[in-house]
Amino acid sequence: AQSVAQPEDQVNVAEGNPLTVKCTYSVSGNPYLFWYVQYPNRGLQFLLKYITGDNLVKGSYGFEAEFNKSQTSFHLKKPSALVSDSALYFCAVRDGTGGFKTIFGAGTRLFVKA
Amino acid sequence: GAVVSQHPSWVICKSGTSVKIECRSLDFQATTMFWYRQFPKQSLMLMATSNEGSKATYEQGVEKDKFLINHASLTLSTLTVTSAHPEDSSFYICSARDPRGDNYGYTFGSGTRLTVV
Repeated sequence: AQSVAQPEDQVNVAEGNPLTVKCTYSVSGNPYLFWYVQYPNRGLQFLLKYITGDNLVKGSYGFEAEFNKSQTSFHLKKPSALVSDSALYFCAVRDGTGGFKTIFGAGTRLFVKA
Repeated sequence: GAVVSQHPSWVICKSGTSVKIECRSLDFQATTMFWYRQFPKQSLMLMATSNEGSKATYEQGVEKDKFLINHASLTLSTLTVTSAHPEDSSFYICSARDPRGDNYGYTFGSGTRLTVV
């Protein structure tokens, strides 16, 4: 069965500092991995995905994530955080063997302080 | 890009009544749509997979008679919460799979906040 773990409920970072939001996953086949961001009372916005190829994936708003197969991780990163990055971030995984079901992590709230 | 419209964005209803939430793919045909439920400060829980022209596939623990899903066309899926109770109050989000081009990621609606009083 697929599963996603986001070990941190909240991440606090000062504006201008680098940020990392952690994610580990478990899936039977090759993973399709995603990061989404959610603002209050809104749906999810797609940030980036890893399907295959380069382990470092670049996405929207300056975010990037690194796929690490040996550690089964897909941490979200940004070199310089903005206050406007404060939101709820979800890591998600889908089994790449053909299923369409996407499983989400519990979410990590990012708080960027000015 | 793919756009999914969800309506209404919020609704308040009385206990015992039914509420219908619509999810529309505006610029593509979605053969598969998904319905999620999100409790405050929690993750999205997949409720069911909605397939156009066939019965929805419900996740374990989701009452199919309470959460009726209809996917009668390639651009519309509806979720009806029947005989709503206060514990059904939640944020409901739909997503749709765009079969064009890169379909690895799904597009999400803006969500519906349901409050049952």
